Amino acid sequence: GAVVSQHPSRVICKSGTSVKIECRSLDFQATTMFWYRQFPKQSLMLMATSNEGSKATYEQGVEKDKFLINHASLTLSTLTVTSAHPEDSSFYICSATTGSPSQPQHFGDGTRLSIL
Amino acid sequence: GENVEQHPSTLSVQEGDSAVIKCTYSDSASNYFPWYKQELGKGPQLIIDIRSNVGEKKDQRIAVTLNKTAKHFSLHITETQPEDSAVYFCAAGFGGSYIPTFGRGTSLIVHP
Repeated sequence: GAVVSQHPSRVICKSGTSVKIECRSLDFQATTMFWYRQFPKQSLMLMATSNEGSKATYEQGVEKDKFLINHASLTLSTLTVTSAHPEDSSFYICSATTGSPSQPQHFGDGTRLSIL
Repeated sequence: GENVEQHPSTLSVQEGDSAVIKCTYSDSASNYFPWYKQELGKGPQLIIDIRSNVGEKKDQRIAVTLNKTAKHFSLHITETQPEDSAVYFCAAGFGGSYIPTFGRGTSLIVHP
């Protein structure tokens, strides 16, 4: 089946650091990638949708200057949390899809971000 | 936009029993309904999906039913096993620029 690799799986860093998370589709071309944030025991909260070669579309309330998304190729999207603070600590998950109608998303295994 | 309600939030069963998780959606244009299983510390994994032109789909111990008129769909797991313990999410969306809406999740606990 389709495989999405997310790296790193865990990050612990000091407040003020910028952190980059990578999301790769390993065996298919991901026209569209999604970035989610998940709080403990809660559902997935969509942060942004990115299409290859164009600017990401951010959900209401998500700061685009805080969460920089780049989708430069059909197999790679990155999320950079800039000047991270403790309130940015969370579980970040990416997913990818071919973009064809009614095709499922395939999720990465998430990145646990802890800001001290 | 779409609104997906999922119940129950927690479901506890004995090994071998059946488990049923129910979701309702609001947008009649939605035509694709996937179910995901999320184990602790991992991303969600697609376990089964159904499209609006089908009323039921089965894959071994897992089945999904869809009632378009009532706008609800359900996940059925038979002969549950401890390894079925996880959080299950339903989602609803429509073709084209598919951005699904997720339910709030159901924590399934299967007791040995």
